[in-house]
Amino acid sequence: AQKVTQAQTEISVVEKEDVTLDCVYETRDTTYYLFWYKQPPSGELVFLIRRNSFDEQNEISGRYSWNFQKSTSSFNFTITASQVVDSAVYFCGLHSGGYQKVTFGTGTKLQVIP
Amino acid sequence: DTAVSQTPKYLVTQMGNDKSIKCEQNLGHDTMYWYKQDSKKFLKIMFSYNNKELIINETVPNRFSPKSPDKAHLNLHINSLELGDSAVYFCASSQGDFYVNEQFFGPGTRLTVL
Repeated sequence: AQKVTQAQTEISVVEKEDVTLDCVYETRDTTYYLFWYKQPPSGELVFLIRRNSFDEQNEISGRYSWNFQKSTSSFNFTITASQVVDSAVYFCGLHSGGYQKVTFGTGTKLQVIP
Repeated sequence: DTAVSQTPKYLVTQMGNDKSIKCEQNLGHDTMYWYKQDSKKFLKIMFSYNNKELIINETVPNRFSPKSPDKAHLNLHINSLELGDSAVYFCASSQGDFYVNEQFFGPGTRLTVL
């Protein structure tokens, strides 16, 4: 069975602070994909990143960076110099070809305080 | 030039009624999905359709039935609505084999059953 755990339910930071959102996953498949979506207060789901299980390189996109470590089954997301616009619920997810289905974590609500 | 659109955005109805939510994508994708997001923000995949064929059917009540007249549309029909069906329903689409491409989500339909 697949499982995604986002242990942090809610995080509050002051603007300009760095913040890391944790994501731990479980799967028996050797081929799988991990992803992050952002859901701002307006409600839409915005794609942030997908990473396949064979690519452990860290990725940086502007103030966003992702750290994928198969050894700890984690795919953590860091926002550098947070801004109020980063306030949202962030979902980590997992999907594997064997099941052809996706499992989302329960989400982490990030509040950036001005 | 909306990529994935859903109608209606809000739907308020009485218990026991039958309702439909429409979804259309103009991205030329061949796979479409329905997700349910409950009041705790938990996202769960309900169905997916690939080339008009149902390829995932999660353990949802058979009161829910996806209908796809063509690959650009995947409508969700719900019979005998219950209070527990109240949620936000998201439609999504992707191209090709699911685990290699990102999903594009619609804006969501907030269903309230009274």
